Amino acid sequence: QKEVEQNSGPLSVPEGAIASLNCTYSDRGSQSFFWYRQYSGKSPELIMSIYSNGDKEDGRFTAQLNKASQYVSLLIRDSQPSDSATYLCAVSRPGYSTLTFGKGTMLLVSP
Amino acid sequence: NAGVTQTPKFQVLKTGQSMTLQCAQDMNHNSMYWYRQDPGMGLRLIYYSASEGTTDKGEVPNGYNVSRLNKREFSLRLESAAPSQTSVYFCASSTATSNYYNEQFFGPGTRLTVL
Repeated sequence: QKEVEQNSGPLSVPEGAIASLNCTYSDRGSQSFFWYRQYSGKSPELIMSIYSNGDKEDGRFTAQLNKASQYVSLLIRDSQPSDSATYLCAVSRPGYSTLTFGKGTMLLVSP
Repeated sequence: NAGVTQTPKFQVLKTGQSMTLQCAQDMNHNSMYWYRQDPGMGLRLIYYSASEGTTDKGEVPNGYNVSRLNKREFSLRLESAAPSQTSVYFCASSTATSNYYNEQFFGPGTRLTVL
């Protein structure tokens, strides 16, 4: 059973701080990793994709991948109240058209 | 581009009624997916279509059927709705041509209540 694990939270951070969201996965064959943001009552929105070990930065977001340790993380710098949402981690492996999603971590950014 | 569209946005059914949820994408994507999302359960894959003309079961297919009408459209049918099918349903699409860059894009969702 392929699993993707996330702490359900909520993770509470003050405005301007760095929020660190973590995800571990069980399938060593996973090669593609994604972070989705989901606001309450809305659909998931893709915010980051990462395929190679190391860091990938996009604006205030940095995705970090460590395949040897089977974890992927998302850092949000200068957190804003508008970042308050549930963040979903998803993984995929070659040969499969589907993603395996974690249950998500709720992030709360207080003004 | 509208991306992924779903109809209807909301629906209330009585137990035993049938309905079809419609999904369309204008991104020329090969693969399409139906998920349901319930509190505490996360996103669960119901059915998917890796390419036009093919469909496969996901994690929770019981009680559902799908049709890949053409490359753009993928519908989900509930033949005899049950209260356990009360959920939010999301359609998604992806290029998935190499199965590597499998970025999925979601529609706005359908909120279904079965009484």
